Amino acid sequence: QQQVKQSPQSLIVQKGGISIINCAYENTAFDYFPWYQQFPGKGPALLIAIRPDVSEKKEGRFTISFNKSAKQFSLHIMDSQPGDSATYFCAASFSEWSGSNYKLTFGKGTLLTVNP
Amino acid sequence: NAGVTQTPKFRVLKTGQSMTLLCAQDMNHEYMYWYRQDPGMGLRLIHYSVGEGTTAKGEVPDGYNVSRLKKQNFLLGLESAAPSQTSVYFCASSYPLTGRDTDTQYFGPGTRLTVL
Repeated sequence: QQQVKQSPQSLIVQKGGISIINCAYENTAFDYFPWYQQFPGKGPALLIAIRPDVSEKKEGRFTISFNKSAKQFSLHIMDSQPGDSATYFCAASFSEWSGSNYKLTFGKGTLLTVNP
Repeated sequence: NAGVTQTPKFRVLKTGQSMTLLCAQDMNHEYMYWYRQDPGMGLRLIHYSVGEGTTAKGEVPDGYNVSRLKKQNFLLGLESAAPSQTSVYFCASSYPLTGRDTDTQYFGPGTRLTVL
């Protein structure tokens, strides 16, 4: 049973445009929502993360928007650049000690291509 | 610091053969994880460990075994490889006992395994 649904599967954006990737989760006990970025041939790396006590977090050109009531969160990449071309994964976990052992549940990923 | 390293980077097996994938981390992390990544499936947790000498099953544990005899190493074994185990395997670690950043998982570069 997939607990984190990610869309779209692939996304093509022109340089300078805005890239938006959406995720929806089912388990209301999740309280940590990271986004990972993966370049071809590399392992995923943490890009940005948010906890449900805030509705938005911004780091440079990357912003997470979080809607607790809708159980949705999204990644916005402003002024998208060709170097942003990668696969992006959303994830969710319980960050507090609840026996979950910080396990991450990942979405299926979005392949972002930014054309020059 | 090397972070998380994986050995080997590539491997081709015949059906029924066995092999062990080695993961090592030098960040003194308590938790370690093994994932497999398949096209369109995202990252799926195979097994994980919350400390030296402990292991637990993840989402897709069948056909795999793990051991964590030393805190810095996490081994993934395939006793009798099957074509369905053709995948890219990633190791990750997290949760330093001191300092913050307890939630971030740090991934290795991956092992590409093909089972013929």
